[in-house]
Amino acid sequence: AQSVTQLGSHVSVSEGALVLLRCNYSSSVPPYLFWYVQYPNQGLQLLLKYTTGATLVKGINGFEAEFKKSETSFHLTKPSAHMSDAAEYFCAVRPQAAGNKLTFGGGTRVLVKP
Amino acid sequence: DGGITQSPKYLFRKEGQNVTLSCEQNLNHDAMYWYRQDPGQGLRLIYYSQIVNDFQKGDIAEGYSVSREKKESFPLTVTSAQKNPTAFYLCASSDPGTSGSWGNEQFFGPGTRLTVL
Repeated sequence: AQSVTQLGSHVSVSEGALVLLRCNYSSSVPPYLFWYVQYPNQGLQLLLKYTTGATLVKGINGFEAEFKKSETSFHLTKPSAHMSDAAEYFCAVRPQAAGNKLTFGGGTRVLVKP
Repeated sequence: DGGITQSPKYLFRKEGQNVTLSCEQNLNHDAMYWYRQDPGQGLRLIYYSQIVNDFQKGDIAEGYSVSREKKESFPLTVTSAQKNPTAFYLCASSDPGTSGSWGNEQFFGPGTRLTVL
């Protein structure tokens, strides 16, 4: 079974600083990879996804992520944090084989300090 | 606007009662899902349905039931057998696309917060 590990359940960054959220997966075959954001008491919104092709993926709100097969990682970054980035972020994976179930990491809550 | 609606937003239930959470989508998606979210545990899959009149158990199906009689609707019933039902419940849908690729993302509703009193 696949698993997803997000290092750090809470991350605190200063406004304007780099945001780095880590995601590692366990799978013998590279899966499809997703990052979602969740604001308090709301559903999840897709930030970006990797399926095939270019390993550096750009998403909404200035976020990007890089798929590194050798490291089984899909870390999320944003060069300059904004107060509006305060939210919870989830990494998720889905096997490329038939089937469409997502496996989610435990989430990382981001706090942005002024 | 296309999207997923969940109702109610907040729901209170007494112990021993069954309760049904609504999920409706107008995205014309074939697949629909129910997740449970608890603090610090991410999302866990309860049930999913890839097509009308068919559904499968997810990782934590015990104490829950679903139906999929219409493409746009996927209600979830939390039964009295669910020992710890207080949680945030999220419904999602997805479409494999014309190529059949399951790389398409899932779209989420706004969630229902269930509290057992």
